[in-house]
Amino acid sequence: GAVVSQHPSWVICKSGTSVKIECRSLDFQATTMFWYRQFPKQSLMLMATSNEGSKATYEQGVEKDKFLINHASLTLSTLTVTSAHPEDSSFYICSAHPGLGPRSEQFFGPGTRLTVL
Amino acid sequence: AQSVTQLDSQVPVFEEAPVELRCNYSSSVSVYLFWYVQYPNQGLQLLLKYLSGSTLVKGINGFEAEFNKSQTSFHLRKPSVHISDTAEYFCAATSSGGYNKLIFGAGTRLAVHP
Repeated sequence: GAVVSQHPSWVICKSGTSVKIECRSLDFQATTMFWYRQFPKQSLMLMATSNEGSKATYEQGVEKDKFLINHASLTLSTLTVTSAHPEDSSFYICSAHPGLGPRSEQFFGPGTRLTVL
Repeated sequence: AQSVTQLDSQVPVFEEAPVELRCNYSSSVSVYLFWYVQYPNQGLQLLLKYLSGSTLVKGINGFEAEFNKSQTSFHLRKPSVHISDTAEYFCAATSSGGYNKLIFGAGTRLAVHP
């Protein structure tokens, strides 16, 4: 099956620093990638949708200047948490969609645990 | 607006017992439905999906779900659970006009006890 990787799997950083998380589709081209945030014991909250070569579309309430998303190629999207603060600590999950319409499956990465001290 | 409701936040069950995890959706348009499983500190794995056709959908690990349009439900079932089925289960939906965006339910924690 299709594989999506995320790097790093976990990261600890100091408050005020920026952190970049990579999401790669390893064996297929993803025209669309999604970024989710998940708090402990809660569901996934969609943060933004990114399409290759265009600006990401952010969900209501998500700060686009804080969560920078770049979808530079059909196999790579990055999420940069700028000037991270403890409240940004969370589990971030990406998914990749091959762009064959809503009937086809999204493939999820294993997630990145961010802890901001 | 589309929404997904998982009626049980936690479901405790004994090993080898049957289980049903409930999911209801609301949508004014055609909907595609999915069940995902998440193990601790991992991403999501697709269990099964309903797109069209037969309302009984079989998935991996012995799970199945039935799409019921009149009751707007998509309940997940397994006739005999194992300890290894302990995980978080998410029901999700997308629509033909939803630009591939998935709307997730709140999740159900399945705890299988020996």
